[in-house]
Amino acid sequence: AQTVTQSQPEMSVQEAETVTLSCTYDTSESDYYLFWYKQPPSRQMILVIRQEAYKQQNATENRFSVNFQKAAKSFSLKISDSQLGDAAMYFCAYRRSNAGNNRKLIWGLGTSLAVNP
Amino acid sequence: EAQVTQNPRYLITVTGKKLTVTCSQNMNHEYMSWYRQDPGLGLRQIYYSMNVEVTDKGDVPEGYKVSRKEKRNFPLILESPSPNQTSLYFCASRKTGADEQFFGPGTRLTVL
Repeated sequence: AQTVTQSQPEMSVQEAETVTLSCTYDTSESDYYLFWYKQPPSRQMILVIRQEAYKQQNATENRFSVNFQKAAKSFSLKISDSQLGDAAMYFCAYRRSNAGNNRKLIWGLGTSLAVNP
Repeated sequence: EAQVTQNPRYLITVTGKKLTVTCSQNMNHEYMSWYRQDPGLGLRQIYYSMNVEVTDKGDVPEGYKVSRKEKRNFPLILESPSPNQTSLYFCASRKTGADEQFFGPGTRLTVL
């Protein structure tokens, strides 16, 4: 069964600095998708970034980028120029490419990120 | 504004008293889903719906019911709540074939 592990329950970063959140996953599939979701104190989950496993190029969305290492089954999230509004719980998630209509996600337990002014 | 709304946001109730948590989306999404979020267990899917009148069980459906009579609404029903259903509940929706799910703001439920 697929699993997603976020080994850092809590992290902190100084405003304007860069932080990297770790995520590893276990799968025997070769084709799949990976996601980072953000859950701010308002609790509403927001998709931050999506990566397709068959794409070599790391996904980027403004200040957010990933380091996708397929062989190592690692999918870390880098936040550059951290802002106070980046403080949130971050969840890594995985789904198989043939996950059916439900497109079920396997979720990590999250990393709580604090941003210090 | 495109959004998923849930009501109530907070609810404290007692064991056995039937309750309904409403979920509504205004994006004409076919797919809707309910999750519960618990410390140490992460997000777990309760039920999902591919379209009107089409619902299916997720990973933890016991003790819950859903219905999908209209495209925009997907209520979660707890016929006889128990303390182990104390949790944070999220509704989400997305278009068929899309990956991005849009989540509601969550409902914090406490069952005494």
